[in-house]
Amino acid sequence: DADVTQTPRNRITKTGKRIMLECSQTKGHDRMYWYRQDPGLGLRLIYYSFDVKDINKGEISDGYSVSRQAQAKFSLSLESAIPNQTALYFCATSDPPSYEQYFGPGTRLTVT
Amino acid sequence: GNSVTQMEGPVTLSEEAFLTINCTYTATGYPSLFWYVQYPGEGLQLLLKATKADDKGSNKGFEATYRKETTSFHLEKGSVQVSDSAVYFCATNAGGTSYGKLTFGQGTILTVHP
Repeated sequence: DADVTQTPRNRITKTGKRIMLECSQTKGHDRMYWYRQDPGLGLRLIYYSFDVKDINKGEISDGYSVSRQAQAKFSLSLESAIPNQTALYFCATSDPPSYEQYFGPGTRLTVT
Repeated sequence: GNSVTQMEGPVTLSEEAFLTINCTYTATGYPSLFWYVQYPGEGLQLLLKATKADDKGSNKGFEATYRKETTSFHLEKGSVQVSDSAVYFCATNAGGTSYGKLTFGQGTILTVHP
């Protein structure tokens, strides 16, 4: 079984709808991250959490919110989706000492 | 803050050709450097890393050397295969209390033809 899972894998939604993307991990890591991938822009950090009580904004947090329900679960919400939030979204985890990040398979979100 | 600049793609090569993908970075302190690979339809996975100057990371025939004097971490492979076709990302981590937070380059698409 995969160490980092994301649901759903694909989602099409309409402008103005609320949507939640979920991430679960079995690696026992404290640190979790949400990234957005757009062609030609690489990955940009939306939010990150260093433990259940520590949540931080990344470089592109506007229009997004997160919830860290447990060490293993980190959800990303779009309160009112807009078309320019169409992208591929990745969740990742890491822990010291290596800080290597382990990525989920991604969620492809389309906002029409 | 940290930043990473990668050679623009896409890069198209024939099988067994030599590959170089350039990466330069700006960062404070002594960051670690990473190359991640993304195969079609998958998430990113770590390809190799280097944690201090002059370190060489290597994996699956790929190599990259941490050059502090030129702030570079270029990815090389002597003989590429069709199965190496993927998107490659260079990344560096932040220091201080944000240690572990990665900054990625824009990615380089590699296509290898038989």
